[in-house]
Amino acid sequence: NAGVTQTPKFRILKIGQSMTLQCTQDMNHNYMYWYRQDPGMGLKLIYYSVGAGITDKGEVPNGYNVSRSTTEDFPLRLELAAPSQTSVYFCASDRTGGIYGYTFGSGTRLTVV
Amino acid sequence: KQEVTQIPAALSVPEGENLVLNCSFTDSAIYNLQWFRQDPGKGLTSLLLIQSSQREQTSGRLNASLDKSSGRSTLYIAASQPGDSATYLCAVSTSGSRLTFGEGTQLTVNP
Repeated sequence: NAGVTQTPKFRILKIGQSMTLQCTQDMNHNYMYWYRQDPGMGLKLIYYSVGAGITDKGEVPNGYNVSRSTTEDFPLRLELAAPSQTSVYFCASDRTGGIYGYTFGSGTRLTVV
Repeated sequence: KQEVTQIPAALSVPEGENLVLNCSFTDSAIYNLQWFRQDPGKGLTSLLLIQSSQREQTSGRLNASLDKSSGRSTLYIAASQPGDSATYLCAVSTSGSRLTFGEGTQLTVNP
């Protein structure tokens, strides 16, 4: 009964490096989301997906890419990391497109130096 | 564009006090409103979910109300305990299945 699993939990990147944040869910949810949370702030939507093969931009998509090849997995790719991408990243999923609530992963804390 | 505001940004109370956290949103066309708890360095735990057709939800010492027409929600915590210390986030779900979050209220309950 894992829910939403994110890896890694922590990562330090150098400016210009790339990495992929992994997110997987075992609840057969169609909808998946990536949010970022800056210190002392609420969460902002980066990208979301309404099903395998379908993704769309959220509020702050610049500098990120996503793919959704399976229902279970929704990886977030950072290309050419910048200090402004230092944040905590949360993945979430839900079954009904927001009608019955979301399940969040425990987050990935990323520092770009 | 939906905007969510939470007041106060921080709150410190003595143990045992009843307290109210406030959340307001600008667009009343919501599916639901959700209150989350976030402990330092941790993820989000869902506390209460209120559908747009509902007025309130209760779970233990927590009671959340929703007034969609005025764009307001309150989270009431009865008989607060030090273990309630955390950041409380309000989020609304609007069209397109997106959640819009407030910036949170940081609650400290002192023994």
